[in-house]
Amino acid sequence: GENVEQHPSTLSVQEGDSAVIKCTYSDSASNYFPWYKQELGKRPQLIIDIRSNVGEKKDQRIAVTLNKTAKHFSLHITETQPEDSAVYFCAATLYSSASKIIFGSGTRLSIRP
Amino acid sequence: NAGVTQTPKFQVLKTGQSMTLQCAQDMNHEYMSWYRQDPGMGLRLIHYSVGAGITDQGEVPNGYNVSRSTTEDFPLRLLSAAPSQTSVYFCASSLARWGASTGELFFGEGSRLTVL
Repeated sequence: GENVEQHPSTLSVQEGDSAVIKCTYSDSASNYFPWYKQELGKRPQLIIDIRSNVGEKKDQRIAVTLNKTAKHFSLHITETQPEDSAVYFCAATLYSSASKIIFGSGTRLSIRP
Repeated sequence: NAGVTQTPKFQVLKTGQSMTLQCAQDMNHEYMSWYRQDPGMGLRLIHYSVGAGITDQGEVPNGYNVSRSTTEDFPLRLLSAAPSQTSVYFCASSLARWGASTGELFFGEGSRLTVL
């Protein structure tokens, strides 16, 4: 089955700087890689996802890159703002036949003023 | 739409007691699942269902039972609670195609369970 490793577990960056969170996955058949954001005391919510037919996807200040050969993908947040402080989770699964959606262990991102 | 609704939001149990966490969704999602969230452990899949009458085990199923008699409801039962089951539990649902999730999960607000 799928196994997802996420690093780092905590990350602190200065406001305005960039943040990068990395995940590796074990199942080479996985082709769907979503990222979820969980603010303190709230439920996780999808912020961006990528499918294996593309190498990069951007949505304003966030982007995700995928390296299928190395089986890793990353979340990039540019020009960080206080509201980016949260726990971020990556996941890997098989799109359109995903029964088990397995998450990484999460990264707690703190933005320093 | 209310989305995914979980009850109760908070519960304290004694070791050995049983209880059911309720989950209901009004989005006509066929795929539903339960996760537990522990510090430093992320979200771990307990059980999931791809439609009424169909359930399967996730990563950490021991100590939990589920059933899916309707599309809307997916209750999680703790038969004999243990302190190791102290956690925050999230129910999540998604659209399904070909009998599986299409990917984007919609989460409930969570249920915080403490077992003494």
